[in-house]
Amino acid sequence: GIQVEQSPPDLILQEGANSTLRCNFSDSVNNLQWFHQNPWGQLINLFYIPSGTKQNGRLSATTVATERYSLLYISSSQTTDSGVYFCAVGRYSGGSNYKLTFGKGTLLTVNP
Amino acid sequence: ETGVTQTPRHLVMGMTNKKSLKCEQHLGHNAMYWYKQSAKKPLELMFVYNFKEQTENNSVPSRFSPECPNSSHLFLHLHTLQPEDSALYLCASSQGASGSYEQYFGPGTRLTVT
Repeated sequence: GIQVEQSPPDLILQEGANSTLRCNFSDSVNNLQWFHQNPWGQLINLFYIPSGTKQNGRLSATTVATERYSLLYISSSQTTDSGVYFCAVGRYSGGSNYKLTFGKGTLLTVNP
Repeated sequence: ETGVTQTPRHLVMGMTNKKSLKCEQHLGHNAMYWYKQSAKKPLELMFVYNFKEQTENNSVPSRFSPECPNSSHLFLHLHTLQPEDSALYLCASSQGASGSYEQYFGPGTRLTVT
């Protein structure tokens, strides 16, 4: 199956700092999603980005499908950005390949 | 609010109890999923339903029994669980089940087995 690696595993920032989270994957994909898991466990969709670049407020993401990586940028971080950020990839190769494969996540802590 | 709701949000049960988790999606999707998130582990897919039909069982023990009466509702029936089954159980839905559709998650049920 597809392997997903996220880096760094942990990141501590001061409020206002910028950061870049990385997701590497081992095969071509049809789906790549970034999620933010808040302290209560809710997975919040940030981006659906199998290729290209998207921006949403202070967050943006870029996926370079040919090189099998995606980056999530967080600018001017706020304490509410704290939590775990997951990258998940999916690929349809016929048959019953229905799985979204998740990375282990990056734990982000933003201090005031 | 993502359009996917789960109840209960918290559940404590003994090893001999029987309980059920409920998931409902209001997005008009055709596929629904159960995931398990244990401490220090990536999310693990448990079951996939597409148009009410189970299309994947990811080697889940029989003490977990899913039910999908229609495309909007998904249940996970629990019986004779073990303490290691304590985890966050997440439900998700998507337009289709090919792996290429965006998935939306519910808030989860935090289960503790005593």
